[in-house]
Amino acid sequence: KNQVEQSPQSLIILEGKNCTLQCNYTVSPFSNLRWYKQDTGRGPVSLTIMTFSENTKSNGRYTATLDADTKQSSLHITASQLSDSASYICVVRGDSSYKLIFGSGTRLLVRP
Amino acid sequence: GAVVSQHPSWVICKSGTSVKIECRSLDFQATTMFWYRQFPKQSLMLMATSNEGSKATYEQGVEKDKFLINHASLTLSTLTVTSAHPEDSSFYICSARESLTGGVNTEAFFGQGTRLTVV
Repeated sequence: KNQVEQSPQSLIILEGKNCTLQCNYTVSPFSNLRWYKQDTGRGPVSLTIMTFSENTKSNGRYTATLDADTKQSSLHITASQLSDSASYICVVRGDSSYKLIFGSGTRLLVRP
Repeated sequence: GAVVSQHPSWVICKSGTSVKIECRSLDFQATTMFWYRQFPKQSLMLMATSNEGSKATYEQGVEKDKFLINHASLTLSTLTVTSAHPEDSSFYICSARESLTGGVNTEAFFGQGTRLTVV
């Protein structure tokens, strides 16, 4: 069964600290993996999209990694800010269809 | 970047009435749009795939007669929740991909969501 699992479920960190969110997937075949940020009550906003051949991609303070062999991805947030408080969702597209498979998300709270 | 606009952002309606939610791609054409539902502290669940000029494809367990989808143009899809009940209260989100140049790695853009409360 195609699944995307994220950990931790929730995370609290102090402003300025770094953190890493994890994503494991069992989706096969694999097309790409995306990380989205979703603020409460808003739609998801794309952070990164990575294909099979890419193992790291950065977007400002966000850096995503992908290991297609172990089917694992991580999202590293550097020097966290209060505005980073949100849910971070790992999403995998498995094949040529347009369907996306969503993880349950990690809820991040950055405290001053 | 591309923008997908949803309207309204929130709506409160009485039980038994119908509510229409609009999803527009503002600066690109989208032959395919997607409708999701999200309950509190849960991730997005795909309800249906909206295809321009043809019938929508519904996911298993989603009532097509209750959630009417119309994709009348390349920039507009609508979701109508018919005879709404309190259990239909949820956060509804649409998504669209650019059609002309889109492949499997094309970005999917999400609307800002619509909070539906049925009282």
